[in-house]
Amino acid sequence: EAQVTQNPRYLITVTGKKLTVTCSQNMNHEYMSWYRQDPGLGLRQIYYSMNVEVTDKGDVPEGYKVSRKEKRNFPLILESPSPNQTSLYFCASSTGLAGTTQYFGPGTRLTVL
Amino acid sequence: GEDVEQSLFLSVREGDSSVINCTYTDSSSTYLYWYKQEPGAGLQLLTYIFSNMDMKQDQRLTVLLNKKDKHLSLRIADTQTGDSAIYFCAEINQAGTALIFGKGTTLSVSS
Repeated sequence: EAQVTQNPRYLITVTGKKLTVTCSQNMNHEYMSWYRQDPGLGLRQIYYSMNVEVTDKGDVPEGYKVSRKEKRNFPLILESPSPNQTSLYFCASSTGLAGTTQYFGPGTRLTVL
Repeated sequence: GEDVEQSLFLSVREGDSSVINCTYTDSSSTYLYWYKQEPGAGLQLLTYIFSNMDMKQDQRLTVLLNKKDKHLSLRIADTQTGDSAIYFCAEINQAGTALIFGKGTTLSVSS
């Protein structure tokens, strides 16, 4: 089954404690992306990757890092989480963007205390 | 910059048609999308329309595109309680690297 998986689904942590949210897709997609969803703000892109070892900033990259060492995985790293990073995070993948189906993961709800 | 606007709420009765409206700013957008988000779930692509089309129909869904007014709408015929969700309109940004989402329209269907 074609899918994007994220782990963990829920996470409560404290300020400053490094964490990683994993994202994996089984569709051999080149393009992967991370979004955060906040009430009243919709979804905003954090980082994206057009292929292995190719990553770039989206609209709200501050406080986040990513890596793309393998085609299937695109982890999101918060080196020193802060309360303003409390949000719902989605990973997405597709073969490209224009005219293609972008598959979204189920989301990771992060709370930073 | 690019921006996508939607009304925040829509309430309809079961069996009625629902129309969710969206306006966008980037006239060069090639594709426009509608996504559905059910409670506690990720986003599911409902349909998309290429900018050289005026209309696209897929079962109960009809998408209308007015490129002159930069207006996109999603019509759901015979709305069911299972259609209750948040619906997002989205366009591709100019760089072709991200989807720009509206804030989402919460559709509430009462029986």
